[in-house]
Amino acid sequence: SFELIQPPSLSVSPGQTASITCSGDKVGDKYTSWYQQKPGQSPILVIYQDRKRPSGIPERFSGSNSGNTATLTISGTQAMDEADYYCQAWASSTAVFGGGTKLTVL
Amino acid sequence: QLQLQESGPGLVKPSETLSLTCTVSGGSISSSGYYWGWIRQPPGKGLEWLGSIYYSGNTYYNPSLNSRVTISVDTSKNQISLKLSSVTAADTAIYYCTRLNLAVAANYFDYWGQGTLVPVSS
Repeated sequence: SFELIQPPSLSVSPGQTASITCSGDKVGDKYTSWYQQKPGQSPILVIYQDRKRPSGIPERFSGSNSGNTATLTISGTQAMDEADYYCQAWASSTAVFGGGTKLTVL
Repeated sequence: QLQLQESGPGLVKPSETLSLTCTVSGGSISSSGYYWGWIRQPPGKGLEWLGSIYYSGNTYYNPSLNSRVTISVDTSKNQISLKLSSVTAADTAIYYCTRLNLAVAANYFDYWGQGTLVPVSS
């Protein structure tokens, strides 16, 4: 079955660029979405259709998707961006989530 | 502002059926272009999609749950419901009600409820 693989954790210094990868077989042929979840809160959508941002999501969040890897990029990472991030795609009418990446800003 | 509110019993016993309701406010569940459904998250773990339903009753389920899941819709009450049968401790999770936006070939979950924790324990 289709799987999405994310690194469990990533650390970045404030102001630096964080790139969170999401690997899956030919994931570039599918549209991906990305969700941010802070402790004790519900997930929120930060990227859809690979690279589009919902209203209210800062421009520092961007996405790309090609080949076997989708990537969420946070430019100029801020302390408020510390959270878990999940990628998601559809395969055979089933929503599949990656295992999540814990982003630490320190 | 669209809001999704989950409700249901706080504890379920093993082998019984878990039942939850999601009430949608600030919008109609009968609006075209959206499915409504459930995603769960075991404590400290990742997200798992359970299924989604259209206001007409058309449903999609996660095949990994082996037909234990049933989602229904009540348009008169602007609600959807979840039933998960034969539960075990592995079904202990936060259950989120979600809206699935049917963009062209790029469906995505754009609204989430606050979630409700359902422990499974005797």
